[in-house]
Amino acid sequence: SQTIHQWPATLVQPVGSPLSLECTVEGTSNPNLYWYRQAAGRGLQLLFYSVGIGQISSEVPQNLSASRPQDRQFILSSKKLLLSDSGFYLCAWTASSNQPQHFGDGTRLSIL
Amino acid sequence: QKEVEQDPGPLSVPEGAIVSLNCTYSNSAFQYFMWYRQYSRKGPELLMYTYSSGNKEDGRFTAQVDKSSKYISLFIRDSQPSDSATYLCAMSGGFQKLVFGTGTRLLVSP
Repeated sequence: SQTIHQWPATLVQPVGSPLSLECTVEGTSNPNLYWYRQAAGRGLQLLFYSVGIGQISSEVPQNLSASRPQDRQFILSSKKLLLSDSGFYLCAWTASSNQPQHFGDGTRLSIL
Repeated sequence: QKEVEQDPGPLSVPEGAIVSLNCTYSNSAFQYFMWYRQYSRKGPELLMYTYSSGNKEDGRFTAQVDKSSKYISLFIRDSQPSDSATYLCAMSGGFQKLVFGTGTRLLVSP
C-alpha cells in the first residue's frame, strides 16, 4: 500500500532563517505531488504541485519554492523565512489527476 | 463570495445522534466532491468521494451531492466520540486542483 511521510512534524525557526521541508511517498510511481498551507479558519491553500521530476507549478507568488529531485520526493524551501510563513504545511499525493488526493500528517512551522 | 462555503461550527451532538455536515459552492464546473476528516495536529484523511450528483454510502457515512442546488452533505449515523474532528469538504472540476471549505468542527459527547 502507499504511504506518505513528512518531516519534521514540528519546527520552530527564527525570522530570516532558511527552510527545508521534505515529503516522500512510498508504494507508487510517478505520483502527482502537492504542497498546501493550512491557516486557522482559512482552509487549505495550494502552494505548489508537480506532475513529474523537475516539473513544478506555483499557485501563489510568495517567499517559498518547491523542488522535486526524485520521483517520490517533494521539497518545500525558503531562503529567508518571514513571520507570515508560520502555519501547518501539508504534502499530498495522487496516483493520477482523476484520483483523489491523500495527505501526510503535516509540519507545524512556527516563526519567532 | 468564497467558492466554497462551510459553517465552521463547532457542532456539538450526543453520542448516537445523526450528524449532518454541509457545504455550498458557486462554481458549476465542479464535478468531483470529497469529504476529509482531520484530527487535531494530523493531516486530512479521505472519507468519501463522489462524481457528479447522487448519493454514496460507506458504513455509517453517506455523502450526497445536489448539483442543481450546488449543495453537498455528509451524514454520519450513530455518531461516536471518535468521530470528533474537523470535517473538510473539497471539490474540483478534475482532481488536480481542489478547492476546500474551511472545515466544520464536530464534537460528539459520550
